[in-house]
Amino acid sequence: KAGVTQTPRYLIKTRGQQVTLSCSPISGHRSVSWYQQTPGQGLQFLFEYFSETQRNKGNFPGRFSGRQFSNSRSEMNVSTLELGDSALYLCASTRWWQGEADTQYFGPGTRLTVL
Amino acid sequence: DQQVKQNSPSLSVQEGRISILNCDYTNSMFDYFLWYKKYPAEGPTFLISISSIKDKNEDGRFTVFLNKSAKHLSLHIVPSQPGDSAVYFCAAVPPKLIFGTGTRLQVFP
Repeated sequence: KAGVTQTPRYLIKTRGQQVTLSCSPISGHRSVSWYQQTPGQGLQFLFEYFSETQRNKGNFPGRFSGRQFSNSRSEMNVSTLELGDSALYLCASTRWWQGEADTQYFGPGTRLTVL
Repeated sequence: DQQVKQNSPSLSVQEGRISILNCDYTNSMFDYFLWYKKYPAEGPTFLISISSIKDKNEDGRFTVFLNKSAKHLSLHIVPSQPGDSAVYFCAAVPPKLIFGTGTRLQVFP
């Protein structure tokens, strides 16, 4: 069974631009969560989607948004990029909504650098 | 406010010895925890979980202990191997994953 895939793996943008990252969950998994990892803050939860609906949201500004498609693939978008948005963005999938306490499986991440 | 804390940012252990990674949490309602291992430039990999109905869960060289009264869990790796060198995150699950800041484990020969 293929794992969680994320595209692109690496991305360089400049301040003020916007970016869209993509995540394909494990086949059969319906819940997708997004995390940001930075050296100083560790792994921080962005949001979670289940059946195309946002179920949970972390404490990030409105510049961070996401969506999920009917095939469970998910995208996250960051508008008006800031230098501090440089991070590794990780996507994770589970079979069910995380309220079921199911294990999350992570993708390799997208390394975003904002210049 | 960090609800899940890993107070040791790094740990160095000799090969063959025991590695003990600690994690504390503040919310007594948390009842399910996961440990993840992360290599550089890769996503975290699930290692082992524990729910509050147990105080110990074992999987091969990895054992997780949960002390609910102390709001503390620990991951024991015995024996430690050089391939175990990575960053380890504990996470509380309910209803979204709340991660600690990680402990970098280095296992030297």
